[in-house]
Amino acid sequence: AQRVTQPEKLLSVFKGAPVELKCNYSYSGSPELFWYVQYSRQRLQLLLRHISRESIKGFTADLNKGETSFHLKKPFAQEEDSAMYYCAPRSLETSGSRLTFGEGTQLTVNP
Amino acid sequence: KAGVTQTPRYLIKTRGQQVTLSCSPISGHRSVSWYQQTPGQGLQFLFEYFSETQRNKGNFPGRFSGRQFSNSRSEMNVSTLELGDSALYLCASSLVYLADTQYFGPGTRLTVL
Repeated sequence: AQRVTQPEKLLSVFKGAPVELKCNYSYSGSPELFWYVQYSRQRLQLLLRHISRESIKGFTADLNKGETSFHLKKPFAQEEDSAMYYCAPRSLETSGSRLTFGEGTQLTVNP
Repeated sequence: KAGVTQTPRYLIKTRGQQVTLSCSPISGHRSVSWYQQTPGQGLQFLFEYFSETQRNKGNFPGRFSGRQFSNSRSEMNVSTLELGDSALYLCASSLVYLADTQYFGPGTRLTVL
């Protein structure tokens, strides 16, 4: 079965500290991986798409096929990074454009 | 470009009623997907439409249905509402079917009393 796990529901760091949000997945085929972010009272928006290999707002994510992980990282967290983060794989071969969302990690960056 | 728009933004219904939610994709986008977001189940895929055809369906009962019009606008309908249908319903659009990023609307908050 397709499954994605974000082990931390809540994560709290201080401003300027490094942050890592974990994502592990179990997916058949070669999934495509995304990170979406939802700031307070805003819509869900794309943060990263692994095939584009872009760095958005200082965040990066490395796809580790051996460990089936796609952890999101930022070297120096900012207060405006406080938000809910969702990891979302999809497999075009088996389920089309359908995204499977993890439970999300609520990140709080303290001043 | 204007983003994905959803109407209405808020709805209150009672059990047994039916409801129709509307989604207008980003201009030029032809694929529309629907998701349900609840505190208990998180974000779950409902269905996806492209070229007025349902391409993909999630594990929801037949009370949940949808359609897409020739201008790519989409509607979803829930019949015989249950308390558990209370949720935020999100619509996402993408340029084409498959191999494209999905952009989300603000959602419709449905409350079933």
